[in-house]
Amino acid sequence: AQTVTQSQPEMSVQEAETVTLSCTYDTSESDYYLFWYKQPPSRQMILVIRQEAYKQQNATENRFSVNFQKAAKSFSLKISDSQLGDAAMYFCAYRSRGGSEKLVFGKGTKLTVNP
Amino acid sequence: DAGITQSPRHKVTETGTPVTLRCHQTENHRYMYWYRQDPGHGLRLIHYSYGVKDTDKGEVSDGYSVSRSKTEDFLLTLESATSSQTSVYFCAISEVRGADEQFFGPGTRLTVL
Repeated sequence: AQTVTQSQPEMSVQEAETVTLSCTYDTSESDYYLFWYKQPPSRQMILVIRQEAYKQQNATENRFSVNFQKAAKSFSLKISDSQLGDAAMYFCAYRSRGGSEKLVFGKGTKLTVNP
Repeated sequence: DAGITQSPRHKVTETGTPVTLRCHQTENHRYMYWYRQDPGHGLRLIHYSYGVKDTDKGEVSDGYSVSRSKTEDFLLTLESATSSQTSVYFCAISEVRGADEQFFGPGTRLTVL
């Protein structure tokens, strides 16, 4: 079974600075998808960024980018120019290609942005 | 925002009582999911549906049942609620497999006393 590990329960960053959230996963599959979701205090789950394992190029979405290291099974999220609105829980998630449709989530990292 | 609603949004009930949570979508998406969120556990899949009357178990399905009689509705039932089922429950939908995202509902906070 796949597992997702987020080793940083909490992180903090100064406004306008850069922060990196870590995520590692365990799988025997060669093709899969990885996601970062954001959950602000409103509890709404919001997709931040996604990565397809067969694509070598790291995904980027505006101030958000990933460092996808397939051999190391690592999928970190970098937030540049942090804003107060980035404060939230961030969840890393894994999804197999084909078969079961479930997302396997990490336990989350709480990000605090200091003004 | 994807059209997903959950009802009720909050519920307090007593141990041993039946509880049904409803997820309603207006997107006509094929796949629907129920997750629970607990501190220190992230989100865990309870059950999911890949079509009307087609459902399957997730990793934490014990004590839960689901039904999907219409594309737009996915019901989660706790036949006899226990305190360990106190949690926040999220419904999610998706259209196709692959990298398409799952859209999440606003969540239901359930407290079992």
